[in-house]
Amino acid sequence: QVQLVQSGAEVKKPGASVKVSCKASGYTINTYAIAWVRQAPGQGLEWMGCISGYDGKTNHAQKFQGRISMTTDTSTSTVYMELRSLRSDDTAVYYCARVGIVVKYFDLWGRGTLVSVS
Amino acid sequence: EIVLTQSPGTLSLSPGERATLSCRASQSVSSSYLAWYQQKPGQPPRLLIYGASFRATDIPDRFGGSGSGTDFTLTISRLEPEDFAVYYCQQYGSSLWTFGQGTKVEIK
Repeated sequence: QVQLVQSGAEVKKPGASVKVSCKASGYTINTYAIAWVRQAPGQGLEWMGCISGYDGKTNHAQKFQGRISMTTDTSTSTVYMELRSLRSDDTAVYYCARVGIVVKYFDLWGRGTLVSVS
Repeated sequence: EIVLTQSPGTLSLSPGERATLSCRASQSVSSSYLAWYQQKPGQPPRLLIYGASFRATDIPDRFGGSGSGTDFTLTISRLEPEDFAVYYCQQYGSSLWTFGQGTKVEIK
């Protein structure tokens, strides 16, 4: 079954870091990228960053410069997103999504991980 | 960064009616990289349309996308009860993705 399974909810204090995982199954991870998108309560979707499953290259939105890291463990087909120096406005549901290397749309999504910063 | 502006913010319609959602970009977007997503409460977004006009797998043909340049449209020809949701447009360019702020389609 093709799916992305994310780690469970987290509660963090301001200034801490959080690491969210996204395990891919049912497809070859190195033929796609994984994007991270977050959604604050009652708000819209915000793209955070993306990591290539092919070569591990990353890119991210400017607002997360210096705070976000994304890595891939190819042995377990798991992608990780770490966000540092958490603030209360980082409280959101964090989604991972599969991205085609060429086509650039998000065709498969995880169910989301709620990160609460308080 | 390309800004996507969706209108209207909320669309109040009855089942069976036609819905027309707009997505306007602050600069020209490649049609190849314009997508639409549907999101229902408590669920992740679902890909509806990619390449501005191509329906994703298992998306019914009452959903249609059109447009080019800076103006794109998502049309739902006849609203079914399950179509009441929030819809987002998305673009990719210069290694960055941006989303519109969303249009909520609610039952009138």
